[in-house]
Amino acid sequence: GAGVSQSPSNKVTEKGKDVELRCDPISGHTALYWYRQRLGQGLEFLIYFQGNSAPDKSGLPSDRFSAERTGESVSTLTIQRTQQEDSAVYLCASTRGGYRTEAFFGQGTRLTVV
Amino acid sequence: SQQGEEDPQALSIQEGENATMNCSYKTSINNLQWYRQNSGRGLVHLILIRSNEREKHSGRLRVTLDTSKKSSSLLITASRAADTASYFCATDAGYGQNFVFGPGTRLSVLP
Repeated sequence: GAGVSQSPSNKVTEKGKDVELRCDPISGHTALYWYRQRLGQGLEFLIYFQGNSAPDKSGLPSDRFSAERTGESVSTLTIQRTQQEDSAVYLCASTRGGYRTEAFFGQGTRLTVV
Repeated sequence: SQQGEEDPQALSIQEGENATMNCSYKTSINNLQWYRQNSGRGLVHLILIRSNEREKHSGRLRVTLDTSKKSSSLLITASRAADTASYFCATDAGYGQNFVFGPGTRLSVLP
């Protein structure tokens, strides 16, 4: 694709509901990242996929958070039993992998838990 | 952690002035990148400097890297109101390592 695509762009959900966020990386990009950004804050690393290697899940804040990626394509980030503190913008990025080139970011999903 | 830390957290300057932002990190890196973020959405890549490079230019941007001090600086010359954004540095330690972003510098360029 032309760029990294994230959907939905905005999501309002009730506390306790599950949500699923989607990221379509640039075709051929082997590495995919998820970050969380609270209002006025920096990027908080969540999870990293690199090709067929086991993902680096070290940034996931709790077992309510999980992410999947099929091969080198779409990734979904799932948040179960959402809490108000989960409200943030969730950003996805992809790179060609290897010895690092620039990361291309999607426009993010703004999640609001009410 | 190899987290980058930007300094200052916020910077306000007049249009036409130069803006300098700094980034420090903790561990050895493969390269360091700077990104800009407008309006709290997607980040846009500005410039990448590799660990064996000391300085790099791109238009009005100048980036330096001092691996002995584990620090980098981003200079924006002749700033414009459109440069108003948050600026982040990101580091990685090489293949298979994830990017780590600092908290960012919020730059305001006043007309």
